[in-house]
Amino acid sequence: DAGVTQSPTHLIKTRGQHVTLRCSPISGHKSVSWYQQVLGQGPQFIFQYYEKEERGRGNFPDRFSARQFPNYSSELNVNALLLGDSALYLCASSLMGWDPTNEKLFFGSGTQLSVL
Amino acid sequence: GEDVEQSLFLSVREGDSSVINCTYTDSSSTYLYWYKQEPGAGLQLLTYIFSNMDMKQDQRLTVLLNKKDKHLSLRIADTQTGDSAIYFCADLMNSGGYQKVTFGIGTKLQVIP
Repeated sequence: DAGVTQSPTHLIKTRGQHVTLRCSPISGHKSVSWYQQVLGQGPQFIFQYYEKEERGRGNFPDRFSARQFPNYSSELNVNALLLGDSALYLCASSLMGWDPTNEKLFFGSGTQLSVL
Repeated sequence: GEDVEQSLFLSVREGDSSVINCTYTDSSSTYLYWYKQEPGAGLQLLTYIFSNMDMKQDQRLTVLLNKKDKHLSLRIADTQTGDSAIYFCADLMNSGGYQKVTFGIGTKLQVIP
């Protein structure tokens, strides 16, 4: 089975532009979460989506938005890019079946976004 | 808010044991994780422990959890050069209908041949 896949792997944008990042979860997983990892830091929680609905949001501005599709894949959109948005964006999938023995997050390799 | 803290750097000789420590603040954590990140790569789930356990062993990895002190450690036996990476401690909280994982800053493990 394929793991969590993300595209693109690398992206270069300029300030003020918009970007869309994509994620496909592990087959059978219904929940997708997005994390931002700035160089030298641990990942920070942005969103969690389950069954196409936003279930939780971290401390990120409204420029960050996401959606989940019927096949459980997800897009992260960032508008009006700032230099500080340069980071590795990680997608994670989980079953979200409320079974404590299965609530583990599996991460993709990430999309490295550079804002110039 | 939730906070996870860990030391920044650890250097060990190949064949020795490595112990990476972590403290967390959230008493409602359900799972605690250790992730490994190699340069230019995503996060690899190494091991995890449920919050009602004290210890978990998985081959060369031993996780110890002191829930009273909110202290988590990862011991890597017979450390190899391939273990050189950044190790993240993280805790999972189920809150208000969603899961949130809070990560530490990461401990860079350097293995000296």
